[in-house]
Parts: sequence; C-alpha cells; structure tokens
Amino acid sequence: DGGITQSPKYLFRKEGQNVTLSCEQNLNHDAMYWYRQDPGQGLRLIYYSQIVNDFQKGDIAEGYSVSREKKESFPLTVTSAQKNPTAFYLCASSFEAGKVSGANVLTFGAGSRLTVL
Amino acid sequence: GDSVTQMEGPVTLSEEAFLTINCTYTATGYPSLFWYVQYPGEGLQLLLKATKADDKGSNKGFEATYRKETTSFHLEKGSVQVSDSAVYFCALDNFNKFYFGSGTKLNVKP
Repeated sequence: DGGITQSPKYLFRKEGQNVTLSCEQNLNHDAMYWYRQDPGQGLRLIYYSQIVNDFQKGDIAEGYSVSREKKESFPLTVTSAQKNPTAFYLCASSFEAGKVSGANVLTFGAGSRLTVL
Repeated sequence: GDSVTQMEGPVTLSEEAFLTINCTYTATGYPSLFWYVQYPGEGLQLLLKATKADDKGSNKGFEATYRKETTSFHLEKGSVQVSDSAVYFCALDNFNKFYFGSGTKLNVKP
C-alpha cells in the first residue's frame, strides 16, 4: 500500500542536541511538506519542497533544516537553535499543481512527537 | 493572502445529534476545498473534498458544499456517533499552497 512513513513516532531530545525526523513516501508525489502542530492548535508550515534538490521556507523555518536529495525522502532536522521544539511534527506530500485533474489531495504521515527533556 | 477560518471548539454533542462546523475562506482564483479529520495521536486523514462551486463532497455521512457566493464550506452530519469524536480541519489548496483552519474539536457523548 502506498503511503507516508514517519519515524520515529516518539523522540526525546536533550537541550542542545540536533535531531532528525525521517519522512519517506512511496506515492510518487512531487511535493513534500513539514508541519508543526502544538497542543490545541492548527498546523504551521515549516518547510516545503516541490522538486528534488529544491525547498522553500514556510512560516516558521527558524531553527529547522531540511534536504531533498531523493524524490521519496524529505528529512527534517530540528537544531539546537530551535528554542521550543517540543511539538507534534507532521510530514505530508502531494502531486505537483496541475498534474492531476480534480483536487490535489495532501496526504499525511502518522506524525512524530518530539519532547525536549 | 489566502486563509481559512473555522469555528472554535470544542463542540460537544450527544449521540445522534446534528452537527455543523462552520468554515469560511479567503482566496484568489478557484481553490479546492477540503475537510480533514485527526484522531488523537495520529496524522490528518482526508474526510471529503470539493473542487468547484456548488460541488458537494461527502463521506461516511459527512457532507459539505462549496459555496462560492458566501465563500463557505460548512461541514454537516445528520446523526453523529461517539466514534466521530476528533479534531476537524477545514483547508484549501491554491496551486499547491495549502492553508488550514485552526481545527475544531468535536466531543460526542453517549
């Protein structure tokens, strides 16, 4: 079955450490996204990538970094510069705009919960 | 810029009650509209979608109609169940830029 796999599901980090969250998709989607979700709040876009080797900052990119070396993979690194990293992180993917007829659906992974100790 | 506004929660209903969650949007052009559902500790799942004015999306008893004249996409269900308890997000897509509402938590009591 096609889908998006995020790992790990739970991650604990000490202050000052960098951590990397994995996101892999086998949907042949062109675009991939990282969102942050805080308790009781909506989604905030961190980074997105429309094609391999290219990505753009979202609304809250400070303290995060990404890479897009393969179409299937879009890892997110939470750096020590991110002052409040405890949150639920969601990866998503979609086809390129205009590539599909009808609605271009955003498909989500199950999420990774990061806690800073 | 584009944006989505949905009613604040939580919404608490008894089983078999009628549900409405309001959603309005601001967008240039002709966006697609979506409702997503999130169960505790999970990612978002697509509930229904609509791509043009007057389209009605429906799934699992939920419905929403794309109203361009009122820029709305309200979610409705005639008879909610305890298993419908979740957070519901309204969203739009405008050329691969996705915008989400802040989410509405629904609690259904037996």
